[in-house]
Amino acid sequence: RKEVEQDPGPFNVPEGATVAFNCTYSNSASQSFFWYRQDCRKEPKLLMSVYSSGNEDGRFTAQLNRASQYISLLIRDSKLSDSATYLCVVNPGGSYIPTFGRGTSLIVHP
Amino acid sequence: EPEVTQTPSHQVTQMGQEVILRCVPISNHLYFYWYRQILGQKVEFLVSFYNNEISEKSEIFDDQFSVERPDGSNFTLKIRSTKLEDSAMYFCASSAGGAVGEKLFFGSGTQLSVL
Repeated sequence: RKEVEQDPGPFNVPEGATVAFNCTYSNSASQSFFWYRQDCRKEPKLLMSVYSSGNEDGRFTAQLNRASQYISLLIRDSKLSDSATYLCVVNPGGSYIPTFGRGTSLIVHP
Repeated sequence: EPEVTQTPSHQVTQMGQEVILRCVPISNHLYFYWYRQILGQKVEFLVSFYNNEISEKSEIFDDQFSVERPDGSNFTLKIRSTKLEDSAMYFCASSAGGAVGEKLFFGSGTQLSVL
């Protein structure tokens, strides 16, 4: 089983839609979780950390479910500029090295 | 805002040649990383570096690869004898600490093409 798994998509949604992505991780001892955003052929950029209690930043909400070993990202009121690949990143237990999922592609159309 | 800078942005080389990719991490950061991303695939960890030595490395980081911090600002990745499969985008990253939960800041990458 892969350490970090994501549905590659693409998720094709109209402007204004709400869209959610999940990411599952295999190591139950994983301790920290992030969502990064990557535009085509650019570097990953931190979108938000994911805390146990869940957290929100504007239109973006991240949640962690330790029992089922997944994290989620919810984007409300999608904008054209949200089109990108969203990378799930997990620090596996026993390592400080962030491990990336393959990413979920989001396309927001007019 | 401070940023990680990488040079060159593109590097084309012949198979078997040596290449050196350069990075200048954010100045007060202590942990440095190299990742790579083959086109269409995920971002893969290569190596992390702290206190002038490698702290972790992946299976990809074999004897053909080496890293160095030759002075107080640069952090380099050397590939001794490039192979076709080394063609990828190479990202340097740095973080202020190495603890779990530390955020990584990435450079804009070097696109390496091995012919």
